[in-house]
Amino acid sequence: DVKVTQSSRYLVKRTGEKVFLECVQDMDHENMFWYRQDPGLGLRLIYFSYDVKMKEKGDIPEGYSVSREKKERFSLILESASTNQTSMYLCASTGTDTQYFGPGTRLTVL
Amino acid sequence: QKEVEQNSGPLSVPEGAIASLNCTYSDRGSQSFFWYRQYSGKSPELIMFIYSNGDKEDGRFTAQLNKASQYVSLLIRDSQPSDSATYLCAVPHSSASKIIFGSGTRLSIRP
Repeated sequence: DVKVTQSSRYLVKRTGEKVFLECVQDMDHENMFWYRQDPGLGLRLIYFSYDVKMKEKGDIPEGYSVSREKKERFSLILESASTNQTSMYLCASTGTDTQYFGPGTRLTVL
Repeated sequence: QKEVEQNSGPLSVPEGAIASLNCTYSDRGSQSFFWYRQYSGKSPELIMFIYSNGDKEDGRFTAQLNKASQYVSLLIRDSQPSDSATYLCAVPHSSASKIIFGSGTRLSIRP
């Protein structure tokens, strides 16, 4: 079974803090993704990566950056957290077309 | 027009009945289609995928694909309260390494 893990299920940070969200997959997948999900807005793609050190902006990259130093690990960075970044963050990994999600991190920025 | 469209619901279906969920997409080059189920507070879980026109059955679930009309549907037979969730339709982009998700249909099975 594909396993995608995320570093935290719940996280509370203060405005202006730098936040790191970690995602690890164990299936040697090339493509990895970060989404945020908000009520009424559905899943929105922040960034994705199709190889180590490669990244592409998704639909809402502003305020975020990513890092992919190893194939299995894809990190999302909030350089200076703001209250409008309070959300559920979902990492996903893609095999041949099929996308598997991690359990999600519910981030609250106070 | 959104790339993948779903009725947000809520769709309320009595227990034991058939629930029918629909999805339309705009990219004519799309070749594969996925249905995810998401329980409240949880991450999406893949439940069905379909590549060819027609029907694909898996237990109580049937996916139906009509590429000419650009729609894909999910039927849930003998609906159970545990089927109450949001169902997301997803379509890989034909020219980019990403998957486009619909906004989801909230399904409620009433006992």
